[in-house]
Amino acid sequence: DIQMTQSPSSLSVSVGDRVTITCRASQSISSSLNWYQQKPGKAPKLLIYGASSLQSGVPSRFSGSGSGTDFTLTISSLQPEDFATYYCQQSYINPRTFGGGTKVEIK
Amino acid sequence: QVQLQESGPGLVKPSGTLSLTCAVSGGTITSTNWWSWVRQAPGKGLEWIGGIFHSGTTNYNPSLKTRVTMSVDESKSQFSLRLSSVTAADTAVYYCARDILGHYDSSGYTPAYFDQWGQGTLVTVSS
Repeated sequence: DIQMTQSPSSLSVSVGDRVTITCRASQSISSSLNWYQQKPGKAPKLLIYGASSLQSGVPSRFSGSGSGTDFTLTISSLQPEDFATYYCQQSYINPRTFGGGTKVEIK
Repeated sequence: QVQLQESGPGLVKPSGTLSLTCAVSGGTITSTNWWSWVRQAPGKGLEWIGGIFHSGTTNYNPSLKTRVTMSVDESKSQFSLRLSSVTAADTAVYYCARDILGHYDSSGYTPAYFDQWGQGTLVTVSS
């Protein structure tokens, strides 16, 4: 299975901060990388697919980049509704695998 | 907008079989999409269980393959998950999701992703 490693596992930030979350795959996955946001008690929500394509309805402050093994999710200016846990997920090879998550908390 | 809704028992006895159904509304289950199950143990990350096409073709996570069975009922626009020989380790919130498979379009190749999710249902394995 392809292992997905996210860093950091958590971070404390303030509203308005720029946030960067990293995801590394154990082997090259081309651009087959997706990002999800999950709030407590809710289902994950797709933010970014194909490493850099913004899902319809997702604010433009979210962006994704990377290819191969290293990927980044960036939130340009964190809003109150963005405090959540973020997961990366590879769809290059089955089984689909997720990163361990990054919890973004209020400083 | 497609909506998905999981249903099934919230409590299953150890060694028993977990059975869940996902109802699809606002769209057709016979579209070109696949339909997947993903679970999340309490306080843990996400695990893909497997997926199914409306034709009945399946793809399971090898880690669960010997215990998983998925099926589709086109007439009811729903798909189902059965997980046998459950233990406490199978206690989790189970989500169903629409699985947009990798495809080519005007912008090139778009890899697969889960774009719509059910709200999730907690299944506890306990005697």
